[in-house]
Amino acid sequence: AQSVSQHNHHVILSEAASLELGCNYSYGGTVNLFWYVQYPGQHLQLLLKYFSGDPLVKGIKGFEAEFIKSKFSFNLRKPSVQWSDTAEYFCAVNAQSGGYNKLIFGAGTRLAVHP
Amino acid sequence: KAGVTQTPRYLIKTRGQQVTLSCSPISGHRSVSWYQQTPGQGLQFLFEYFSETQRNKGNFPGRFSGRQFSNSRSEMNVSTLELGDSALYLCASSLGGDRVEFFGPGTRLTVL
Repeated sequence: AQSVSQHNHHVILSEAASLELGCNYSYGGTVNLFWYVQYPGQHLQLLLKYFSGDPLVKGIKGFEAEFIKSKFSFNLRKPSVQWSDTAEYFCAVNAQSGGYNKLIFGAGTRLAVHP
Repeated sequence: KAGVTQTPRYLIKTRGQQVTLSCSPISGHRSVSWYQQTPGQGLQFLFEYFSETQRNKGNFPGRFSGRQFSNSRSEMNVSTLELGDSALYLCASSLGGDRVEFFGPGTRLTVL
């Protein structure tokens, strides 16, 4: 069965620190990859997505992610975090299942950024 | 363009009761998916509807069901509620093909 692993459940950083959140998936076929963010009290929002082409994708708010097919990874990065980045981040994979697609989410990473 | 809306936002039920949750997708979106979010299990896919047909289903018991209407609005029903059904139920809509899903605020269901 397909699965998504996010290695860090909780991350605490100071403002201006760099961020990298790991995401690995298990699926041998073609996948679409996503990072979603859930700010406190808000609903899930799409940060960025990868369908094909350049494996380095840029999203909103200065986030980027790199798809490394050989490692089945799609890590999220941001060079300098801000207090407003405090949120929970979810990696998700869209893999073919029974002929139709469904999103499989990782367990999420809670990021706390201290001023 | 208005986002995905879900009603009600909060719901308290007792064990054994049933509940119906409603979701209105973004205008023009024909695919509606439902997810359950709990602290222990995270986000889990329940089912997806496209043009009034369920085309994918997650690993949930038959107590969880849904439907989609001709205007793409969707409802989710849970019968014979159990304590473990307490969760945030999220609805997401998409155009269908690209799987870029836009999520609603969720319905927080508490089962006592």
